[in-house]
Amino acid sequence: KNQVEQSPQSLIILEGKNCTLQCNYTVSPFSNLRWYKQDTGRGPVSLTIMTFSENTKSNGRYTATLDADTKQSSLHITASQLSDSASYICVVSANNDMRFGAGTRLTVKP
Amino acid sequence: GAVVSQHPSWVICKSGTSVKIECRSLDFQATTMFWYRQFPKQSLMLMATSNEGSKATYEQGVEKDKFLINHASLTLSTLTVTSAHPEDSSFYICSARDGSPSNEQYFGPGTRLTVT
Repeated sequence: KNQVEQSPQSLIILEGKNCTLQCNYTVSPFSNLRWYKQDTGRGPVSLTIMTFSENTKSNGRYTATLDADTKQSSLHITASQLSDSASYICVVSANNDMRFGAGTRLTVKP
Repeated sequence: GAVVSQHPSWVICKSGTSVKIECRSLDFQATTMFWYRQFPKQSLMLMATSNEGSKATYEQGVEKDKFLINHASLTLSTLTVTSAHPEDSSFYICSARDGSPSNEQYFGPGTRLTVT
């Protein structure tokens, strides 16, 4: 069973709308949680990294939250753009071991 | 930010031949590099961890004699897919750890391998 579960698997939204992606994990011990954006046919690019003590972190229109007690994280995208169409991957680290979620495929339509 | 490159970006080869993929950290030294494989609509799967100057550590189920990894310098790791078969067709991604206190890991752009 994957220790990092993401939902939804895929999402279609209209340009300009907001959306929220979810990540639940059971990885232990927890070191940090990262959100990556992966464009089709490209490698993942880091959006945010959060440690145990951080509840929220923003990177432009991307805002990640972390609840270490419930082991949940979310990635909120504001005012979506066509270029936001990509897979978003949640990665949880236990010591030096990274556990990958299956990703959420986001499609932004005009 | 740190840059990791891969070469080639895509390659087509015939079944039975071998293919070498290079992974370079361009502006930092990487004592540890990682090789991943990604099938369509799936997440990255770690194949092996490569440490400079020592043998790679392979994940369970990954054949070390088929996927040869060499990490000869602090900026270069290579993955050679030997005797490739169509089922080896996949997207191969490397990443490199910069050794900073945050142990940040940077991913390459990936290499699309198609075996005919």
